[in-house]
Amino acid sequence: ETGVTQTPRHLVMGMTNKKSLKCEQHLGHNAMYWYKQSAKKPLELMFVYNFKEQTENNSVPSRFSPECPNSSHLFLHLHTLQPEDSALYLCASSQERGPETQYFGPGTRLLVL
Amino acid sequence: QKEVEQNSGPLSVPEGAIASLNCTYSDRVSQSFFWYRQYSGKSPELIMSIYSNGDKEDGRFTAQLNKASQYVSLLIRDSQPSDSATYLCAVNVLRDDKIIFGKGTRLHILP
Repeated sequence: ETGVTQTPRHLVMGMTNKKSLKCEQHLGHNAMYWYKQSAKKPLELMFVYNFKEQTENNSVPSRFSPECPNSSHLFLHLHTLQPEDSALYLCASSQERGPETQYFGPGTRLLVL
Repeated sequence: QKEVEQNSGPLSVPEGAIASLNCTYSDRVSQSFFWYRQYSGKSPELIMSIYSNGDKEDGRFTAQLNKASQYVSLLIRDSQPSDSATYLCAVNVLRDDKIIFGKGTRLHILP
C-alpha cells in the first residue's frame, strides 16, 4: 500500500455515460497528478494540482474534467468518452510539485464501449 | 530526440544473473532520477531514486548515474523470477518542473 487509493478499480462505460474517478491520498502531500497509461505508450501526464491549484493541463480533451476540492482528494470527471480513451488511469501524489518522488495509486482500468 | 529513452525489451536474464537496465535522457540539467517497477496490471512502485553521479545501492538493486553522458542505469543482482516486470525510468525536466517517464523496459527472468 502506497497511501494512495483509487476507486473504482475497474469501470466499463458507454460513450454517452458520465462517470467520475476518485483518488485519495493519506500521505499529507500537496501535489496530486492524473496519468493515462495506454498499451505500449509511456505514462502520459494529464493534470497536476499543487496546493489545490491546477498547475498543468497537458492539452487534455475537455471530455476529461479534473476537480481537486482539497489536498487529499482528486477527481476525474468523464463524459462522452471515446473508445480510444480506454486505458489505465493512475493517480499519484508527491510532497510538492517538481523533482519529488511520486507515489501511485492502484489505478482505474477504464473500458469505453 | 525523446526526453527519456529506454529499450522496450523484452530483456531475458537467467535466474541468479545480473540484469542491467539502461536509460538515457535529453535534458542536460536534470537533477532527479527515479526507477519504478510495474507488474502487469499494477501501478508503478518506486525502487530507487538517485540525485548524484555515481552508484547508489539498496539491497540487490544498484542505480548508476552519469550526468556527463546523460545516462542512468539499474542493476539487479541475483535476479529472481519475481523481478520479472516492466521497469520505468523517470527524469525530472527542470524547465517544465515535472517528471517525464520512459516507455519502460520489460524484464523477464528465466527460471
